[in-house]
Amino acid sequence: GESVGLHLPTLSVQEGDNSIINCAYSNSASDYFIWYKQESGKGPQFIIDIRSNMDKRQGQRVTVLLNKTVKHLSLQIAATQPGDSAVYFCAEMSGGGADGLTFGKGTHLIIQP
Amino acid sequence: EAQVTQNPRYLITVTGKKLTVTCSQNMNHEYMSWYRQDPGLGLRQIYYSMNVEVTDKGDVPEGYKVSRKEKRNFPLILESPSPNQTSLYFCASSSPSRGAKNIQYFGAGTRLSVL
Repeated sequence: GESVGLHLPTLSVQEGDNSIINCAYSNSASDYFIWYKQESGKGPQFIIDIRSNMDKRQGQRVTVLLNKTVKHLSLQIAATQPGDSAVYFCAEMSGGGADGLTFGKGTHLIIQP
Repeated sequence: EAQVTQNPRYLITVTGKKLTVTCSQNMNHEYMSWYRQDPGLGLRQIYYSMNVEVTDKGDVPEGYKVSRKEKRNFPLILESPSPNQTSLYFCASSSPSRGAKNIQYFGAGTRLSVL
């Protein structure tokens, strides 16, 4: 069936380095994607989103890249900080989005000092 | 402060004892949703509501009920909880009618253990 998934369950990076978290999706009808960050003991928080008519979107220290040809989404975090330690989820939505999001299983980003 | 509030945050109960987890949002959002989060399975949608008195099943609705009598509240009801409903539950809300984005705002979660 259709699914959204992440390539790696855990990613460990040095503080100050850049991080890249990947996500593969299989629903070619998906037209909207969101990255969420979930810190320990908290609910997911919105980081950045991108529509299917875009290839790249930048926020503060974060960039999302969308490759529709291979159905791949990535989240780049520049100059990672200890506060970036969390589980990151990609989520996809198709159609009008009123029926909610389909989430990937998450990647745990660990920042090493 | 805009927020989604769930109560209780932690709950331990026994099999068969009815319980309700409340969810309230103060953003006047039309859309509300319940998810459960389990290790290795990620977030899965239980039920959602597109507006008052409009609810629909998500991916894993069995064993759950919801109601949407008011716009701000969306309680999750477990009529007869079973151990396989031990999980971390999240309520979320959003406003798709506002067009550009359907960003869902999540509550802090309710950790439920059914013995």
